[in-house]
Amino acid sequence: DSGVTQTPKHLITATGQRVTLRCSPRSGDLSVYWYQQSLDQGLQFLIQYYNGEERAKGNILERFSAQQFPDLHSELNLSSLELGDSALYFCASSVAPISGNTIYFGEGSWLTVV
Amino acid sequence: GEDVEQSLFLSVREGDSSVINCTYTDSSSTYLYWYKQEPGAGLQLLTYIFSNMDMKQDQRLTVLLNKKDKHLSLRIADTQTGDSAIYFCADLTGGFKTIFGAGTRLFVKA
Repeated sequence: DSGVTQTPKHLITATGQRVTLRCSPRSGDLSVYWYQQSLDQGLQFLIQYYNGEERAKGNILERFSAQQFPDLHSELNLSSLELGDSALYFCASSVAPISGNTIYFGEGSWLTVV
Repeated sequence: GEDVEQSLFLSVREGDSSVINCTYTDSSSTYLYWYKQEPGAGLQLLTYIFSNMDMKQDQRLTVLLNKKDKHLSLRIADTQTGDSAIYFCADLTGGFKTIFGAGTRLFVKA
């Protein structure tokens, strides 16, 4: 158990809908990362937050947004969902945004868009 | 932009050594990592190496870094069936992003 908690574990929704994925980082970790893992594109970095502020942005679509709240939990909002958004979405956390040690991953949220 | 590349598959016999290779493009990398993903699980950090090191050994794992060629490798000695997993190389870039490779799926044959 990495200490990073993601909910829901599985989600099935229809095209055009909107979903919110939630992440609680490890206790004491200030930085939160979101990644998308799909079969055809591997593991893609989406976005990173540090202590509530956006720190780095990767290949995140405009239909997607995220935020980190004062209690440090984070949410990833996915809207106008398309079939191609079906993937495993990982949240990860670390102590600092440039930690040289470890990014701890949650077990992921499986999103299936039908 | 920054990129990390790995071969997609590797198959070895139990007891042999496995070598998983990775190349990266960022010239300002600070740390390079190896993560392991078992079926149905998240990624777990196996080991990491600071960019000014050439080699790091941790029990059955040996990491080699050739900074000139931007090449990273992970050697697993005495590979076991429990080592079957996807192995991800990752690069902490100078822009503070951690970029992952697509992962190498290691198959260990008994």
